[in-house]
Amino acid sequence: SYELTQPPSVSVSPGQTASITCSGDKLGDKYVCWYQQKPGQSPVLVIYQDTMRPSGIPERFSGSNSGNTATLTIRGTQAMDEADYYCQAWDSSTAIFGGGTKLTVL
Amino acid sequence: QVQLVESGGGVVQPGRSLRLSCAASGFSFSNSGMHWVRQAPGKGLEWVAVMSYDGRNKYYVDSVKGRVTISRDNSRNRVYLQMNSLRGEDTAVYYCVKDDEVKLRRGYYYYMDVWGKGTTVTVSS
Repeated sequence: SYELTQPPSVSVSPGQTASITCSGDKLGDKYVCWYQQKPGQSPVLVIYQDTMRPSGIPERFSGSNSGNTATLTIRGTQAMDEADYYCQAWDSSTAIFGGGTKLTVL
Repeated sequence: QVQLVESGGGVVQPGRSLRLSCAASGFSFSNSGMHWVRQAPGKGLEWVAVMSYDGRNKYYVDSVKGRVTISRDNSRNRVYLQMNSLRGEDTAVYYCVKDDEVKLRRGYYYYMDVWGKGTTVTVSS
């Protein structure tokens, strides 16, 4: 079965750029979404179709996808961005989530 | 605004059944695919099932096939998840999630865009 692999944790200093990766076999051939989940809250879509930002999501969030790796980039990271981030792609009519990455802003 | 309100969770013994419900408002429900996604305590997200806008197509994660059925009532703007033969590993927060789509040159790309607050299912004796 298809798998998406994310690093368990990423740390970044406030104002710096955070990059969270998501790896899977030929992932660049699929579209990827990214979700942000803060403690005790429901997930929020921050990127869809690899690079698209839903309305209301700050411009500091961007995405890319090529080869076997998709990346969520957060420029000028703020304390409010501290959360768990999940990538997601479709494989044979099944939605696959990555294991999640805890982003710490310190 | 889009609102998804789940209900029906609770504590249930292993082997028993439970039916989750999701009431939708603020969008054209009959034109949207609907998903259920779950999250076990302290764990990541796991997609459970999806049903197309017209109910014709439904897909499930392997771990629930044969035990879980997704359904919808477009006249009531509701989607359901019937769960039978419940196991401890089904313990989770269950989220109802709305679909959106992007038209491609060939076909459509579907993504999950708005999530409800979830309902908690605990399977325990």
